[in-house]
Amino acid sequence: DTAVSQTPKYLVTQMGNDKSIKCEQNLGHDTMYWYKQDSKKFLKIMFSYNNKELIINETVPNRFSPKSPDKAHLNLHINSLELGDSAVYFCASSQVIRVTGELFFGEGSRLTVL
Amino acid sequence: AQTVTQSQPEMSVQEAETVTLSCTYDTSENNYYLFWYKQPPSRQMILVIRQEAYKQQNATENRFSVNFQKAAKSFSLKISDSQLGDTAMYFCASSNTGNQFYFGTGTSLTVIP
Repeated sequence: DTAVSQTPKYLVTQMGNDKSIKCEQNLGHDTMYWYKQDSKKFLKIMFSYNNKELIINETVPNRFSPKSPDKAHLNLHINSLELGDSAVYFCASSQVIRVTGELFFGEGSRLTVL
Repeated sequence: AQTVTQSQPEMSVQEAETVTLSCTYDTSENNYYLFWYKQPPSRQMILVIRQEAYKQQNATENRFSVNFQKAAKSFSLKISDSQLGDTAMYFCASSNTGNQFYFGTGTSLTVIP
């Protein structure tokens, strides 16, 4: 069973389109994250949700909107895609209460904007 | 906020040899965790090893071990008997008790046959 799964794994789209990436974790964790990894491999936190509540919202264009319908899911919707949005997006989860201290990652979704 | 610095963008090592990747961090927290993650070409992020700051004993996982120097805020990763499958990007990371994670810029390690 995949602990953190995200779909799709690959996404190729045109500038100006809207797209979504879905993420689900079956670990029972209470905190989920979205990270962006650029072409230089830098990992940058975008959002963090704890029990469906937004707790981290880094400087990200408001074209990016996370949605957490429940604590096992954190989806990322991107409006009006731009060339600079091309990157690998990682979903991750962790447990805050009774901290185990480990971040579990999904396999990443490679977004290519043409 | 915490910062994590990896000063070696690229490193290489001969197969079967030992290599050490450097990491320093800065934090005002008393309780925190440190990690090394591996990202092979498959892009999956894999936890290699973790260290609780309150534990003085250095963590080890098979061929992987750390040298944790709390006063110096240093957390290096030693890979012994390097294997071709160790070729990957390695990220050092820290997290506080609020589970915010901070990543370094990564070290690209190549194991040479």
